Amino acid sequence: SAVISQKPSRDICQRGTSLTIQCQVDSQVTMMFWYRQQPGQSLTLIATANQGSEATYESGFVIDKFPISRPNLTFSTLTVSNMSPEDSSIYLCSGGTDTDTQYFGPGTRLTVL
Amino acid sequence: AQRVTQPEKLLSVFKGAPVELKCNYSYSGSPELFWYVQYSRQRLQLLLRHISRESIKGFTADLNKGETSFHLKKPFAQEEDSAMYYCALKLGGGNKLTFGTGTQLKVEL
Repeated sequence: SAVISQKPSRDICQRGTSLTIQCQVDSQVTMMFWYRQQPGQSLTLIATANQGSEATYESGFVIDKFPISRPNLTFSTLTVSNMSPEDSSIYLCSGGTDTDTQYFGPGTRLTVL
Repeated sequence: AQRVTQPEKLLSVFKGAPVELKCNYSYSGSPELFWYVQYSRQRLQLLLRHISRESIKGFTADLNKGETSFHLKKPFAQEEDSAMYYCALKLGGGNKLTFGTGTQLKVEL
């Protein structure tokens, strides 16, 4: 199994600013993903974080808005850029060593004023 | 496009009663289905997956391709089963998960 931590656990930000969320895994994982969970809604995949290369974004998500880095097999960051109140959400990181089991971080609760 | 539907946002049952959390999916290929659970103040975690055909914490789920369903069942609900349950679909050969909207299970004494 893998234990995933995220920082910060929550933040309140002003519109127009950016926030970078960190995701750390306690062991090497082949895959890392970033999800968004808006209030009352399900988890939506933002992108797959690829080690050493550009992330693969899902429809509706773009690199300029959600730049992602993954410099190694245990660490990734997601930046929410030029934030608006609509970006208020829980952002979740997940990772796994095979295609069946994904382990999730505790989430980052973001509120944009 | 693939889709996962959980029709009930909230399911309330009494302790000892049977539980069935519904999940339907739409996908024309060979899906892999999962149930994830999130207990209060804990992170999302895998409960079970259809390929394992296992029972976890008394829960089972059978993939019914004819009805495109993957309902989660438990014969006797326990108070500690109260949690948020998400059904998820992984496309055959892929590694991305599509989640349903979740069902909040509340087990009352």
